[in-house]
Amino acid sequence: EVQLVESGGRLVQPGGSLRLSCAASGFTFSTYAMSWVRQAPGTGLEWVSVFSGSDAGTYYADSVKGRFTISRDNSKNTLYLQMNSLSAEDTAVYYCAKGLGATAWYFDLWGRGTLVTVSS
Amino acid sequence: EVVMTQSPATLSVSPGERATLSCRASQSIASFSAWYQQKPGQAPRLLIYRTSTRATGIPARFSGSGSGTEFTLTISSLQSEDFAVYYCQQYNFWPLTFGGGTKVEIK
Repeated sequence: EVQLVESGGRLVQPGGSLRLSCAASGFTFSTYAMSWVRQAPGTGLEWVSVFSGSDAGTYYADSVKGRFTISRDNSKNTLYLQMNSLSAEDTAVYYCAKGLGATAWYFDLWGRGTLVTVSS
Repeated sequence: EVVMTQSPATLSVSPGERATLSCRASQSIASFSAWYQQKPGQAPRLLIYRTSTRATGIPARFSGSGSGTEFTLTISSLQSEDFAVYYCQQYNFWPLTFGGGTKVEIK
């Protein structure tokens, strides 16, 4: 079955760190761009980061640049998001999403999301 | 960053009627726009990419048009399962950006 399953979300204190994982199955993971998109409670979608499926290029939203790091392990079909220096503004459901191609920056498969809550 | 502005914020439509959703980009993005549908408690679903290409499995009642800065998603005859929030996205420039969404509700 073609699917993405996120994990790792939890309650974390401001200033803390967290690593999210996204396990992919049912497609050739290494050949597709993979992204993280978040959605704060009751709000719209905010793109966070993407990892190219071709040249290993990575891109970030300004709001997370320098604090978040995206990575992937193609041998494990898994995408990661290392999040440091977390603040309340990072509270959101984090979705893992697959690009339509190696450098396709629109997303045709999404996971169900994992909730990150930053609060003391 | 490219700001994507969607209008209206809420659209009240009766089943069977046509719905027209608009998205305006703050600068030209050529044809690099996409549309997503999101229902409560669910992940977004890709409907349209490259402005007018339907994603796999998307019914023909969904169509996209536009270029440059003005884009439109049209649902020709609303079905009960189409009541949801719709987002546009640009992918011509970094950072990728989404519009604020249009909620299509039952009239």
